[in-house]
Amino acid sequence: GQQVMQIPQYQHVQEGEDFTTYCNSSTTLSNIQWYKQRPGGHPVFLIQLVKSGEVKKQKRLTFQFGEAKKNSSLHITATQTTDVGTYFCAGRGTYKYIFGTGTRLKVLA
Amino acid sequence: NAGVTQTPKFRVLKTGQSMTLLCAQDMNHEYMYWYRQDPGMGLRLIHYSVGEGTTAKGEVPDGYNVSRLKKQNFLLGLESAAPSQTSVYFCASSYGSGGWQYFGPGTRLTVT
Repeated sequence: GQQVMQIPQYQHVQEGEDFTTYCNSSTTLSNIQWYKQRPGGHPVFLIQLVKSGEVKKQKRLTFQFGEAKKNSSLHITATQTTDVGTYFCAGRGTYKYIFGTGTRLKVLA
Repeated sequence: NAGVTQTPKFRVLKTGQSMTLLCAQDMNHEYMYWYRQDPGMGLRLIHYSVGEGTTAKGEVPDGYNVSRLKKQNFLLGLESAAPSQTSVYFCASSYGSGGWQYFGPGTRLTVT
């Protein structure tokens, strides 16, 4: 069946450093979504990518969808303590989404 | 606009007991989902529904049943709880199959 892997599982960075998480699917995706979950909270939708090679930005966050639509990345420039949390990708296969295992980001002040 | 709500927030069960988790949404969404979240496992889909009166199995449906009698409600039942079902359960809803999902606050369930 469809699998979505995310790396790294954990990342500790100093405040001000950059951070990247990668998402890889075993099958071609029709689109991909990214969510953020703060500690003790619930996942909150960040963005959706649909087109091959698409790049979208939200302030310090840059999202990319691979040319083959099988991988994606989220890059945060100059992390802040408010970026702490777990970032999930969710890839859409035939008719439903499969969530990646998530990357837990810790930002050290 | 409450969004997606879940009851209860916390629950402790003994092995073999049963319970029902309730999810409600006020956004008129067609699609509703139940996930479980375990450390290092991400979010795994238990069951989902594409509309009132319909349900389908997700990745990990064993030991759970669901019902969607009303469009705004999606119930998750555990008939005979097992310690392996200790988890955080999230309900979500979306407008369509490709839409983003709105998550509820979660239910933390412990089975002893």
